Amino acid sequence: GQSLEQPSEVTAVEGAIVQINCTYQTSGFYGLSWYQQHDGGAPTFLSYNALDGLEETGRFSSFLSRSDSYGYLLLQELQMKDSASYFCAVHPGTYKYIFGTGTRLKVLA
Amino acid sequence: NAGVTQTPKFRVLKTGQSMTLLCAQDMNHEYMYWYRQDPGMGLRLIHYSVGEGTTAKGEVPDGYNVSRLKKQNFLLGLESAAPSQTSVYFCASRSYLGQNQETQYFGPGTRLLVL
Repeated sequence: GQSLEQPSEVTAVEGAIVQINCTYQTSGFYGLSWYQQHDGGAPTFLSYNALDGLEETGRFSSFLSRSDSYGYLLLQELQMKDSASYFCAVHPGTYKYIFGTGTRLKVLA
Repeated sequence: NAGVTQTPKFRVLKTGQSMTLLCAQDMNHEYMYWYRQDPGMGLRLIHYSVGEGTTAKGEVPDGYNVSRLKKQNFLLGLESAAPSQTSVYFCASRSYLGQNQETQYFGPGTRLLVL
């Protein structure tokens, strides 16, 4: 089968750094995406990795290791507004996407 | 640009009733998707389309039908609603600009309650 695993919940304090991991097992692999979703809102795109290595976009970075079927999202200088759910999603090919069940990030003051 | 829009935003149906959810995008994207999101289960793909006039089944297609008559619109139909279809439905369109430039843009969602 195809599956993605990510922690259900992570808690950190304002100003800290947090890492959300995602491991995947899929029949094909083109890339790994990360999405942020606030309560009651729609998912919004954060990053996409097709190649091994680190992609940096402001306070957010995303890493991929294809050989380990593993990626992570790194959030730096945490702010209260970062409290949300974060989803990893694999693009296994044939135009489809498979989403993880999400990690709920709580940022404490 | 409005991006991706969905109508309606909220709907209550009785078991057995039918309805159509409309998704529209103004970004000229070829690929469009319908997902449902249930608590603790992330997003699950219902149906998708790789271009005007084409549709394909996703992970959980049973009980749903779709049509893509125009490139900018992707319709999701429920022929006979069941309580198990109570969910939040998201439409998305996909932008692909190269190997490391791929994004899905999501609509605001439709909250459906089936009694």
